[in-house]
Amino acid sequence: QSALTQPRSVSGSPGQSVTISCTGTSSDVGAYNYVSWYQQHPGKAPKLMIYDVTKRPSGVPDRFSGSKSGNTASLTISGLQGEDEADYYCWSFAGSYTMVFGGGTKLTVL
Amino acid sequence: EVQLVDSGGGLVQPGGSLRLSCAASGFTFTNYWMTWVRQAPGKGLEWVANIKQDGSEKYYMDSVKGRFTISRDNANHSLYLQMDSLRAEDTAVYYCARTFGPRYSDYWGQGTLVTVSS
Repeated sequence: QSALTQPRSVSGSPGQSVTISCTGTSSDVGAYNYVSWYQQHPGKAPKLMIYDVTKRPSGVPDRFSGSKSGNTASLTISGLQGEDEADYYCWSFAGSYTMVFGGGTKLTVL
Repeated sequence: EVQLVDSGGGLVQPGGSLRLSCAASGFTFTNYWMTWVRQAPGKGLEWVANIKQDGSEKYYMDSVKGRFTISRDNANHSLYLQMDSLRAEDTAVYYCARTFGPRYSDYWGQGTLVTVSS
């Protein structure tokens, strides 16, 4: 149950796009289309942003999109806004009904 | 409105026990897997355990197997985490979450802080 690998930090200016990667293995990210992404502001509970690799829950802006290639999933945020500044976590099904998170990425909006 | 309210956290000595609760409302509790996730101070999220809708299947992260027990009371729409033989490294905010699958969690409690220290 090793954590998925995410960059510790990314940054972008308002209006720009950023992409956060999430690298796992052929036993988790690469094996299933069950990657989800969460946004967490300081002191708050996580919020679901993307599920099943590419699907967006109701109420999440379409500026947020997900994709996957091989063992790496990605979250892209386009048209960056100040309120997007937060920590982002990926989460993958890892077989046998276990789950594994990424280490988290701090997004800074410059 | 879906609500999950976590409770039961506190200060406990190493080797001690604590039972966390999560009260669910606003949805059909028996339709969903439920999950506990924790976050150590200043650290990332960590999946702890899952439980199937009827409680017949339970899964744990390796470091809590044999020490933590997840359970649910469907009649009272409640989720529990019994934590025994607690260690300093179990110190964290613990969140309960409504889970699909288990593939993803769409609603989360507010979290309850567990501090293991002498």
